[in-house]
Amino acid sequence: AQTVTQSQPEMSVQEAETVTLSCTYDTSESDYYLFWYKQPPSRQMILVIRQEAYKQQNATENRFSVNFQKAAKSFSLKISDSQLGDAAMYFCAYMDTYSGAGSYQLTFGKGTKLSVIP
Amino acid sequence: DTEVTQTPKHLVMGMTNKKSLKCEQHMGHRAMYWYKQKAKKPPELMFVYSYEKLSINESVPSRFSPECPNSSLLNLHLHALQPEDSALYLCASSQAGPPRYYGYTFGSGTRLTVV
Repeated sequence: AQTVTQSQPEMSVQEAETVTLSCTYDTSESDYYLFWYKQPPSRQMILVIRQEAYKQQNATENRFSVNFQKAAKSFSLKISDSQLGDAAMYFCAYMDTYSGAGSYQLTFGKGTKLSVIP
Repeated sequence: DTEVTQTPKHLVMGMTNKKSLKCEQHMGHRAMYWYKQKAKKPPELMFVYSYEKLSINESVPSRFSPECPNSSLLNLHLHALQPEDSALYLCASSQAGPPRYYGYTFGSGTRLTVV
């Protein structure tokens, strides 16, 4: 079974600074998807960024970028120019490309709580 | 419409009550999911519906009963719950096939308290 590990339960960053959240995963598959989700106190899980394993190029979305190291099974999230609204729980998640019975299952890490200091 | 709508947002129920949670999406997604999330924990998968059929039940107690009346609607019927069932219940939807996959779209959840 696939596992996702987030080794930093909590992190903090000064506003306007850069922070990196770590994520490692374990899988025997060669093709899969990786995601970072953000869950603010409002509770809704919001997709921040996604990466397809067969793509070597690291995904970027505005201030968010990833460092995807497939051989090391590492998928870290970098947040640049941190803003107060970035404060949230961040979950790393893994998904196989195989569609079992027409659905896709996400495996989540335990999450990293990010605080942004004004 | 790119949203998953969950109602109610908050629910308090007694252990002998029967209540239902509702989830709706109009994105044409054919897979829908129920997750349970305890405080400061990741979501845990409960049920998966694919093309309106139950495809996965993660050994959830029978006091939780899912229903998918049509491709846009997912219900979770609750009966005789226990206080430990108090949690955030998240609904999500996704595409049910290739070629490109964009992840789940989550609703904002129902905060359930069992008293």
